[in-house]
Amino acid sequence: AQKVTQAQTEISVVEKEDVTLDCVYETRDTTYYLFWYKQPPSGELVFLIRRNSFDEQNEISGRYSWNFQKSTSSFNFTITASQVVDSAVYFCALSEAEAAAGNKLTFGGGTRVLVKP
Amino acid sequence: DTGVSQDPRHKITKRGQNVTFRCDPISEHNRLYWYRQTLGQGPEFLTYFQNEAQLEKSRLLSDRFSAERPKGSFSTLEIQRTEQGDSAMYLCASSSPSHPGRLRIFGPGTRLTVL
Repeated sequence: AQKVTQAQTEISVVEKEDVTLDCVYETRDTTYYLFWYKQPPSGELVFLIRRNSFDEQNEISGRYSWNFQKSTSSFNFTITASQVVDSAVYFCALSEAEAAAGNKLTFGGGTRVLVKP
Repeated sequence: DTGVSQDPRHKITKRGQNVTFRCDPISEHNRLYWYRQTLGQGPEFLTYFQNEAQLEKSRLLSDRFSAERPKGSFSTLEIQRTEQGDSAMYLCASSSPSHPGRLRIFGPGTRLTVL
């Protein structure tokens, strides 16, 4: 069975501080995909990044960066120089391999980020 | 607008009433998913369709819940005899076979409150 754990339920920072969100996952599949979604107060889930299990390169997109470490089953997300608009709940999610039946997306419990001005 | 749309956005109902939600996926997406999200939790998978076929249902989907996607386009999720425990955000998502990992694009959700 798949499982995603986001141990931090809430993080509060002051604007311009960096914030790192932890994500640890469990799966027996050798091929899988990891995702991060952002859920602002409006409620809609916004896709941020997708990473497949064979690509361990870290990725940077503007102020966002992701650190995928297969050895520790972690896919952490860092926001650099946080801004008030980054305040939201962030979800890490895991999807089983393409060919598998179901192809469910399993979410972690989310981390609420509050950026204070 | 080519995103996923859901209707209504909010629904307040009394316990015991039936409610129906609609989801319109992105037109070229052949898979459609329903998720439920309760306060402070991540979304939980309910069911999904590939075209008009319902291929999987979660154990969370009790007999009071039914979902359809009659022509492989829009989908409806009906809850019969609603209970207070059904209060949640119901999220719909769709995906395309051409997107690696079956990237789900989510709609804005329907927030259900059962009084």
